[in-house]
Amino acid sequence: GDSVTQMEGPVTLSEEAFLTINCTYTATGYPSLFWYVQYPGEGLQLLLKATKADDKGSNKGFEATYRKETTSFHLEKGSVQVSDSAVYFCALSDLRTSYGKLTFGQGTILTVHP
Amino acid sequence: NAGVTQTPKFQVLKTGQSMTLQCAQDMNHNSMYWYRQDPGMGLRLIYYSASEGTTDKGEVPNGYNVSRLNKREFSLRLESAAPSQTSVYFCASTGVTETQYFGPGTRLLVL
Repeated sequence: GDSVTQMEGPVTLSEEAFLTINCTYTATGYPSLFWYVQYPGEGLQLLLKATKADDKGSNKGFEATYRKETTSFHLEKGSVQVSDSAVYFCALSDLRTSYGKLTFGQGTILTVHP
Repeated sequence: NAGVTQTPKFQVLKTGQSMTLQCAQDMNHNSMYWYRQDPGMGLRLIYYSASEGTTDKGEVPNGYNVSRLNKREFSLRLESAAPSQTSVYFCASTGVTETQYFGPGTRLLVL
């Protein structure tokens, strides 16, 4: 079945540092890929997505590129802020085969210090 | 436009008690989902409803039942709660795109 693997956390950075959170996936079809973010005490919200190979999703300074050849969707941000402290989830979904069900990675806790 | 709402926000149960978690969405979405979130395991799908009148099992359905009451509402029932069901439960919905919209969650503690 489909699966998503995220880099082990937690990740602790200083403000303005560069962020990379690795994500790789296994899927039989042609999934869409997502990054969701969960701020403390809240539900998940979509950060960015990409629906086909070589697409780049971007939002709030975060970027991720759908790499079919390496089955990856790594999240990057050039300069993190304290307000970026949250849990980040990589996920995939194939509307054609799974009715939009999301398969999640285990999540990566990011803490940014001033 | 409230999006996805869940009640209650927090609940404590004793082993063997039953309860129903309520979820409603006002976005006219066809599909709705229930997930549980446990530390280090991400979110796992319990049940989903691809459209009004249909429900299907997800990855971890044992111990749960669901009802798609109408297009707006999708409830999750624990008939006999167990400590292993201590978790945070999220409801989500999606429309014509694959983007899922999540509720704020219900924290459940089973003693």
